[in-house]
Amino acid sequence: GAGVSQSPSNKVTEKGKDVELRCDPISGHTALYWYRQSLGQGLEFLIYFQGNSAPDKSGLPSDRFSAERTGGSVSTLTIQRTQQEDSAVYLCASSLGRSPLHFGNGTRLTVT
Amino acid sequence: QQPVQSPQAVILREGEDAVINCSSSKALYSVHWYRQKHGEAPVFLMILLKGGEQKGHEKISASFNEKKQQSSLYLTASQLSYSGTYFCGTETGNNRKLIWGLGTSLAVNP
Repeated sequence: GAGVSQSPSNKVTEKGKDVELRCDPISGHTALYWYRQSLGQGLEFLIYFQGNSAPDKSGLPSDRFSAERTGGSVSTLTIQRTQQEDSAVYLCASSLGRSPLHFGNGTRLTVT
Repeated sequence: QQPVQSPQAVILREGEDAVINCSSSKALYSVHWYRQKHGEAPVFLMILLKGGEQKGHEKISASFNEKKQQSSLYLTASQLSYSGTYFCGTETGNNRKLIWGLGTSLAVNP
């Protein structure tokens, strides 16, 4: 079946503009995660959605970052007033229960 | 809080073995291992749970020492396809919030 889908795959934006990154998880997966990966670095946790529970937003680096998950499926990560340090690959992953994470191919964000 | 992985990088010839370690300063509930090839998404290898349950890959094994808060990934008779960056993700409670190490770069040469 289809895996985790992220769009766009690449995004170049000017400093100060807002961007929206989309994640379509695997159908039926109740958990959805957003991570950020900078060049040569590990995966930095951003936010975690589990079913209808309140999301764990403890990894969001500033109030310019927000995310929502509509209908327990598609998620959108929004970055307002982008800064150059926001440049990174943003990865989305989904899972069912305690099953392994399935990652999307990521969105490479470049802020100029 | 971030687990420490060692070594940072390793180069092997095809057929050689390697061990990658992951250490945490906190008590661990589980350790997850993933491999990421350049430009691709991370792919699941192993989950090791507190209490000894292990779910994983056919040709790769791992250990989890709860007392030492460490896990090791064992790659035996390495193949060219093993090349990539290996990440461990640690969970300090049953909360599904993984904290990831910086990765170990593995290159397998013919």
